[in-house]
Amino acid sequence: KAGVTQTPRYLIKTRGQQVTLSCSPISGHRSVSWYQQTPGQGLQFLFEYFSETQRNKGNFPGRFSGRQFSNSRSEMNVSTLELGDSALYLCASSGSGLNEQFFGPGTRLTVL
Amino acid sequence: DAKTTQPPSMDCAEGRAANLPCNHSTISGNEYVYWYRQIHSQGPQYIIHGLKNNETNEMASLIITEDRKSSTLILPHATLRDTAVYYCIATNQAGTALIFGKGTTLSVSS
Repeated sequence: KAGVTQTPRYLIKTRGQQVTLSCSPISGHRSVSWYQQTPGQGLQFLFEYFSETQRNKGNFPGRFSGRQFSNSRSEMNVSTLELGDSALYLCASSGSGLNEQFFGPGTRLTVL
Repeated sequence: DAKTTQPPSMDCAEGRAANLPCNHSTISGNEYVYWYRQIHSQGPQYIIHGLKNNETNEMASLIITEDRKSSTLILPHATLRDTAVYYCIATNQAGTALIFGKGTTLSVSS
């Protein structure tokens, strides 16, 4: 069974640009969560999507948005990039009920 | 979600049991305790979760005190590959909106 995949793995952008990251969950998983990891703030929850609806949201500004498609694939978008958005962005998927989350390898975003 | 407190770091000799404590004194009745670990430069990996009974799987055992205010993750025979940051999380969010703390950095040495 293929794991969670994230594309691209590495990305370099400049301040003010926008970026879209993609996540393909494990087949059959309907929940996709996104996290941001930085050395200073650690792992922080961004949002979670289930059946194309945002079910939970963390404490991030509106520049961070996401969506989920009918095949459960998810994208997250960050607009008007700031230097502080440089981070490892992790996506995780899980099945229904109380289940463990399976994390992807992450996308390393560098904002110059 | 209940706040969890973990020691920042622990050392363990290879082959010995690693016992990682977690305090969650404000946990509510419907919150589960989850443990994840993150090996350097990789995404977190699920280890185990429980509500009030002790749990065991192929990776570890989870011991939850009767009052549920604390728990211990036990790696019975630690190896060098178990060197990682271990996160204890208390949540009622179906395990999908995880609030990670700083975790415990476990260093296993030979």
